[in-house]
Amino acid sequence: TAGITQAPTSQILAAGRSMTLRCTQDMRHNAMYWYRQDLGLGLRLIHYSNTAGTTGKGEVPDGYSVSRANTDDFPLTLASAVPSQTSVYFCASSPASGYNEQFFGPGTRLTVL
Amino acid sequence: GENVEQHPSTLSVQEGDSAVIKCTYSDSASNYFPWYKQELGKGPQLIIDIRSNVGEKKDQRIAVTLNKTAKHFSLHITETQPEDSAVYFCAASYHLSYFGTGTSLTVIP
Repeated sequence: TAGITQAPTSQILAAGRSMTLRCTQDMRHNAMYWYRQDLGLGLRLIHYSNTAGTTGKGEVPDGYSVSRANTDDFPLTLASAVPSQTSVYFCASSPASGYNEQFFGPGTRLTVL
Repeated sequence: GENVEQHPSTLSVQEGDSAVIKCTYSDSASNYFPWYKQELGKGPQLIIDIRSNVGEKKDQRIAVTLNKTAKHFSLHITETQPEDSAVYFCAASYHLSYFGTGTSLTVIP
């Protein structure tokens, strides 16, 4: 099984441009998450979704939006990218929120110039 | 919200020695404490977890201990091998997971 996939693998983006990072899982997990990983700061939660049709804000939601139209897909959109959004972005899923292992995708490396 | 601190940030050990990574958390409601291993260029992967009704859990060379009173938990790796070299993250979870800042472990052959 594919598990959880992310696209693109990497991207260079001009400041002010918009971009959507894609995330798809085939495990029928209810909960999905977006994290950013920065050196020395670990993994910080951007947005999450406990089930299809619902989303919530994490620790660092500003400048990002998400949608959860169905169980499998959880795209992350940067409406107007800024250099501080340069990071590695990981999507994850779990059977349910909180008390469960999270399964991570391979990540998207985004550079905003 | 939850605050998870992880130490040390880097750790080098000789092959065959033990490695210990420690984490503290602030929210007493947290009841699930996973540890993830991240290899270069990959996403984190769960290696062991512990729930709040258990004080210690072991899986071959890896063990985790939890002290809920003191709000700290630790990862112990015994008989380290070069393939244990990676970045390790702890997390504390109740509804959402909050991660530590990571420990870069290097096992020297």
